Amino acid sequence: AQSVSQHNHHVILSEAASLELGCNYSYGGTVNLFWYVQYPGQHLQLLLKYFSGDPLVKGIKGFEAEFIKSKFSFNLRKPSVQWSDTAEYFCAVRGQGGKLIFGQGTELSVKP
Amino acid sequence: EPEVTQTPSHQVTQMGQEVILRCVPISNHLYFYWYRQILGQKVEFLVSFYNNEISEKSEIFDDQFSVERPDGSNFTLKIRSTKLEDSAMYFCASSAPGTGPYEQYFGPGTRLTVT
Repeated sequence: AQSVSQHNHHVILSEAASLELGCNYSYGGTVNLFWYVQYPGQHLQLLLKYFSGDPLVKGIKGFEAEFIKSKFSFNLRKPSVQWSDTAEYFCAVRGQGGKLIFGQGTELSVKP
Repeated sequence: EPEVTQTPSHQVTQMGQEVILRCVPISNHLYFYWYRQILGQKVEFLVSFYNNEISEKSEIFDDQFSVERPDGSNFTLKIRSTKLEDSAMYFCASSAPGTGPYEQYFGPGTRLTVT
């Protein structure tokens, strides 16, 4: 069965620290991968997506993710976080029929 | 920028009652989805809808659930007889067809509390 796992449940960082959130997926076919962010009280927003080509994908707000096929991973990175990055981050893979299969989410708290 | 809207933002209902959650997808989108997130758990797929019929549904989406697109704009999720375990955040999403993967746009969610 298709699944996504995010290793970190809650990450606490100080401003300007670097961020890496882990995401691994299991899916045998062509993968389409996504990172969504949910700021407090807001809806899920797409940060970035990968479907083919350059495995290093750049998204909004300075985020990037690297697709490593051999490791079944799609980790999210940001070189320097800000307090405004405090949110919950969800990794997802597009499954059969177009549905999204989400990881359990990582809550990021950035201390000013 | 167009966005998906959902009403109500919070619904409290008693066990056994019927509820209808409403969504207005982005106007030129053709694919519609419902997901839910029980507190502290993953966002889970419930159902997808295209061309006025269900294209896929999860095991969660049993006979108590139904979806409808009653007019050209609304997309509804009905739960016929709510149970305590239906308490969750319900998200609607929509996407437009294209040559690549479909980017799903999510609404703000409806928090359903069953007492």
